[in-house]
Parts: sequence; C-alpha cells; structure tokens
Amino acid sequence: GQQLNQSPQSMFIQEGEDVSMNCTSSSIFNTWLWYKQEPGEGPVLLIALYKAGELTSNGRLTAQFGITRKDSFLNISASIPSDVGIYFCAGLRAINTGTASKLTFGTGTRLQVTL
Amino acid sequence: NAGVTQTPKFQVLKTGQSMTLQCAQDMNHEYMSWYRQDPGMGLRLIHYSVGAGITDQGEVPNGYNVSRSTTEDFPLRLLSAAPSQTSVYFCASGAWGVIRYGYTFGSGTRLTVV
Repeated sequence: GQQLNQSPQSMFIQEGEDVSMNCTSSSIFNTWLWYKQEPGEGPVLLIALYKAGELTSNGRLTAQFGITRKDSFLNISASIPSDVGIYFCAGLRAINTGTASKLTFGTGTRLQVTL
Repeated sequence: NAGVTQTPKFQVLKTGQSMTLQCAQDMNHEYMSWYRQDPGMGLRLIHYSVGAGITDQGEVPNGYNVSRSTTEDFPLRLLSAAPSQTSVYFCASGAWGVIRYGYTFGSGTRLTVV
C-alpha cells in the first residue's frame, strides 16, 4: 500500500526556533491534512488544505498544498515546549460528498523542543 | 462531548487468543475506520465502513474482522492473535462529505501479543 514520505523523521530544536517539515507522494491527492499526535493520544487535526497552491494558517502553524498536488509543507513559527509531538501528514483523494474517503498517512515527523 | 471512545486502553494477549477492540462514536458519523500504528510506519488502514451494514478492507486487513451493525459502533476483532499484531490501534470517524474537518480519532488501544 502507498504511504507518504515525510521528512525529516525527527527534529530537535530550541524553543523559539522555526520548524519546517514536508510530505511527498508519488500520487496526486486532492485534500491534504496535517495532524499532531501527543503521547498516549490519537492524532488531532491541525490544518486541512483543499486546493493546489493553497496556503493556510492556524496560529503559529502554516501549511501549503503543493502545486503538483503531490506534496505538502508544514511550518511552525517560534516553537514552544507544547509543540512536542509527532506530526503526520495525510492525503485524501476524495474532494466532495458521496465519495469513499480513505486517509493515507505519512510516516511522521517527531518534534522535540528544548528550553 | 465524548467523541470517539475506544476500549480497552491496554491489553495483553497470548498468541492464538481472540479478542474484540471496541469503538463507539456519538457524533452520528457515517464513516468509521481502524488504523494500526507501528514505529516508523505511520498509521495504516485496516478496515473501514461508510455506513451501517457496509464495510471494506484497507491496506492491512489480514487477521482482522469488522462489522457495522449500528452507526455508533465499529468493533475490530482479532481472530487468532499473533505477535505481529502487537501495535497501537486507533479508531477514527468522520461525517460523510465533511472532508474539511478530517476525521476524529480515539485515544487508542495499546495491544501486546506475547
């Protein structure tokens, strides 16, 4: 089965630094989602993207839907300790109602923030 | 606002035992699915359902069964547990057509097969 490639696999950064991670696929997706998972919990949706080239922000988080529809990027500005966790990208081929939708997940980027 | 509830949170099984992982959602979501999470592998889809009475296989369905008799519940059955099924299992649900909200995940069941 297909998986999305995320990089980097892990990051160790200092509080206040900016973070960038990306997700690439060999196939086109019509919706990109970014999730964050904290220890002992399930993934929680951060940002959803629906159009190629779209740039969407959620507080200090900004995500972009790649023009080719085969990639997406997530940036976190001015990181803080509570940003620690695993960040997953996920792609959906569905674009509208009535379509069976299966999420394909990336392999995850583990973020550690030091004081 | 219970969302997606998974039980149990932890389980240890012996090889060959069977068990059912429970998943319930109270959001009237049509779509429900099961994922397993293994180190370095992200989340992989096991089975999914687009409504009561309808199920389909995902990427890694072998060794697992599901059924969907109600909108609220989507149990995952391990028929004969194997060490390779040691993993963290997540159930997710979503409203039909509301792609923009993604899917809501439960907090997971950590299963160890010895």
